Amino acid sequence: KAGVTQTPRYLIKTRGQQVTLSCSPISGHRSVSWYQQTPGQGLQFLFEYFSETQRNKGNFPGRFSGRQFSNSRSEMNVSTLELGDSALYLCASSPGTENIQYFGAGTRLSVL
Amino acid sequence: AQSVTQLGSHVSVSEGALVLLRCNYSSSVPPYLFWYVQYPNQGLQLLLKYTSAATLVKGINGFEAEFKKSETSFHLTKPSAHMSDAAEYFCAVSVAAQKLVFGQGTRLTINP
Repeated sequence: KAGVTQTPRYLIKTRGQQVTLSCSPISGHRSVSWYQQTPGQGLQFLFEYFSETQRNKGNFPGRFSGRQFSNSRSEMNVSTLELGDSALYLCASSPGTENIQYFGAGTRLSVL
Repeated sequence: AQSVTQLGSHVSVSEGALVLLRCNYSSSVPPYLFWYVQYPNQGLQLLLKYTSAATLVKGINGFEAEFKKSETSFHLTKPSAHMSDAAEYFCAVSVAAQKLVFGQGTRLTINP
């Protein structure tokens, strides 16, 4: 069974631009969560989607948004990029009926 | 609020020595606890999880962790370190369905 796939792996953007990151969960998994990892703040929860509905949300500004499609694939969007948005963005999938998450390799975003 | 604290941001041991990574949790309800490992430029890999079935949990790669309610601890151990164990290790607690709160991480270095 294929694991969680995140694309792209690396991304370079400039301040003020917007970016969209993609996550394909493990086949059959209906829950997708997103996390931001930075050296200063560590791993922080962004949001979680289950069956196309956002179930949980972390403490991030509205510039961070996401969505989930009917095939459980998810996208995360960050608008008006700031230097501080440079981070590794990790996606995790779960069956939704089991309290366990499987992570992808992440997308490393650099904002210049 | 549920949280985890990892004692020691950096641990160094000799190859073949005991590995002990410390994690204390704060939770008002029986917690779901996890240990994840992250190798350079990769995502998080699940080592083991505690879900109240047994206090001693065995994971992959020879790691295990013991849940001690009286000490609010969930320390990770491995009897004999291998060079391939060098990585960053994260303890996490599930605070809601598919929402994890992570510790700050412990970087494990193995000396030959």
